[in-house]
Amino acid sequence: QVQLVQSGAEVKKPGSSVKVSCKASGGTFSSYAISWVRQAPGQGLEWMGRIIPMLEKTDYAQKVQGRVTVTADKSTSTAYVELSGLRSEDTAVYFCARASPPGMATFDCWGQGTLVTVSS
Amino acid sequence: DIQMTQSPSSLSASVGDRVTITCQASQDISNYLNWYQQKPGKAPKLLIYDASNLETGVPSRFSGSGSGTDFTFTISSLQPEDIATYHCQQYDNLPLTFGGGTKVEI
Repeated sequence: QVQLVQSGAEVKKPGSSVKVSCKASGGTFSSYAISWVRQAPGQGLEWMGRIIPMLEKTDYAQKVQGRVTVTADKSTSTAYVELSGLRSEDTAVYFCARASPPGMATFDCWGQGTLVTVSS
Repeated sequence: DIQMTQSPSSLSASVGDRVTITCQASQDISNYLNWYQQKPGKAPKLLIYDASNLETGVPSRFSGSGSGTDFTFTISSLQPEDIATYHCQQYDNLPLTFGGGTKVEI
């Protein structure tokens, strides 16, 4: 059974960066896409970007492009999202989610979420 | 970007009621639509994919329909454990986008 386990909560200062990890167990890591989806307090879901490790291909939402980097370490089956230039509006729970081929866009397995708080 | 408009934003119903949620896309997305259930403090869970296909293990009281721009999600007989927020998501084009969510209460 596939499981995604994320790193713990973070508190960051405005202008700094944060890097959240997502370790997969079970399944074939490289064959899937890992997306990052965030949810601000009391708000809806926002897709940020994804990586397809097998193709070493990334896609990003324009809203965060330039500040977000999604990477993957195939040797440890771990995906990462790094967000720079943090603002108070980046305070949210960050989820990783797995999507299967062919579309790589239907999320059938999610991490537990990581709360990132941006505060001075 | 494709905008997904979900309605209502919240609803209150009784156990056993039929509950219907709609999701409208800003352009034709064929059947490239998913529905997720999210309980408080938890990650979303996939219920319906490709607009009308029930994910394995999901109770049959959940269903989805529609194509093009207009989609419907139905709970045929609301159960206490269905209290959650429901989200639609399109995957016709990047960026992937979600509706604003519908909070279902009893």
